Amino acid sequence: KAGVTQTPRYLIKTRGQQVTLSCSPISGHRSVSWYQQTPGQGLQFLFEYFSETQRNKGNFPGRFSGRQFSNSRSEMNVSTLELGDSALYLCASSSRTSGGAYEQYFGPGTRLTVT
Amino acid sequence: DQQVKQNSPSLSVQEGRISILNCDYTNSMFDYFLWYKKYPAEGPTFLISISSIKDKNEDGRFTVFLNKSAKHLSLHIVPSQPGDSAVYFCAGAPQGGSEKLVFGKGTKLTVNP
Repeated sequence: KAGVTQTPRYLIKTRGQQVTLSCSPISGHRSVSWYQQTPGQGLQFLFEYFSETQRNKGNFPGRFSGRQFSNSRSEMNVSTLELGDSALYLCASSSRTSGGAYEQYFGPGTRLTVT
Repeated sequence: DQQVKQNSPSLSVQEGRISILNCDYTNSMFDYFLWYKKYPAEGPTFLISISSIKDKNEDGRFTVFLNKSAKHLSLHIVPSQPGDSAVYFCAGAPQGGSEKLVFGKGTKLTVNP
């Protein structure tokens, strides 16, 4: 099975611009979550989508948004970029087994640098 | 408010010995815990998980122990290998089927040959 893929891997943007990141989950996984990783704050949950609906949301401003398509692929968008948005953005897809076990798998991330 | 705490930012062990990584949590609503390993410039790699109805889960060289009364979990790696050198994160998942993981800030493990 192919893993979680994210595009692009690296991105450089200027303050005030907007950016869209893409994530393709593992085949059969319907849940896609997004996280931001920074040296100071660690891994922080942005939001989760399941069956094209946002199911959970973290404590990020409205500049951060996302969506999920019918094939479970997801995109996240950041508008009006700020220097502090420079981070590694990670996408994860997850599944639960019939026994209730839970596994969440991460992609390689998109390194966003805002200048 | 840090709900998941990894109080040791780093740990160094000799190859072949046991590595013990610790994690404490404050949110009693967590019902599932996961451990991840992360190399620089890569996404976290899932290692092992444990449900709150268990106190131990084992997978090869990795064992996770959960002490619910102490709100403490630990990851044991035996024997440790140089390739295990990475940053290890523990994460808690709230009840109700949420995929919203809350991560600790990580412990950097160095296994010396």
